[in-house]
Amino acid sequence: GAVVSQHPSRVICKSGTSVKIECRSLDFQATTMFWYRQFPKQSLMLMATSNEGSKATYEQGVEKDKFLINHASLTLSTLTVTSAHPEDSSFYICSARVSGGPSSYNSPLHFGNGTRLTVT
Amino acid sequence: QKEVEQDPGPLSVPEGAIVSLNCTYSNSAFQYFMWYRQYSRKGPELLMYTYSSGNKEDGRFTAQVDKSSKYISLFIRDSQPSDSATYLCAMSYNQGGKLIFGQGTELSVKP
Repeated sequence: GAVVSQHPSRVICKSGTSVKIECRSLDFQATTMFWYRQFPKQSLMLMATSNEGSKATYEQGVEKDKFLINHASLTLSTLTVTSAHPEDSSFYICSARVSGGPSSYNSPLHFGNGTRLTVT
Repeated sequence: QKEVEQDPGPLSVPEGAIVSLNCTYSNSAFQYFMWYRQYSRKGPELLMYTYSSGNKEDGRFTAQVDKSSKYISLFIRDSQPSDSATYLCAMSYNQGGKLIFGQGTELSVKP
């Protein structure tokens, strides 16, 4: 089945530094990937939609200069948290949908295993 | 009012019980409905995917959608301790569209 790999699974960084999270579709191509944020015991909140070869689309309230998204190829999207602060500590999850296959009815979102970011 | 409402639980049941998980939503434009299972510190895993109203069965899992009531359910038969996880409902307006998630229900199945 479709596998989404996310790296790193856990990162601890100091306040003011930047952190890059990678999301790869291992056995399929994904023109679109999605980045979510999840707080403990809360739902997934969509941050942005990453489009291969073009600018990402950010949800209302998400700072595009703080959460930089790059989707350079059909199998890789990266999220960089710039100048991280303790309030950015969260669980970040990416997802992707198989592109160019049968109708989307048969191509639901596949999620990575998430990245636990802790900013000290 | 949230677009998708889901009781966060926690819900605790004995092994072998039938589990009923539910979500309600406010926007009748939702057409596609999903249930995801999320183990601790992991990403969500798709369990069921349905379009419009009706039932869908897959092994021990049955998903129901009642669009007239804006209500969806996931039933788990013969629940197992390995079913212990958080279950998230999700829905979208169109194919390939943005998913709106419920808060998730934490389920614990006791041996």
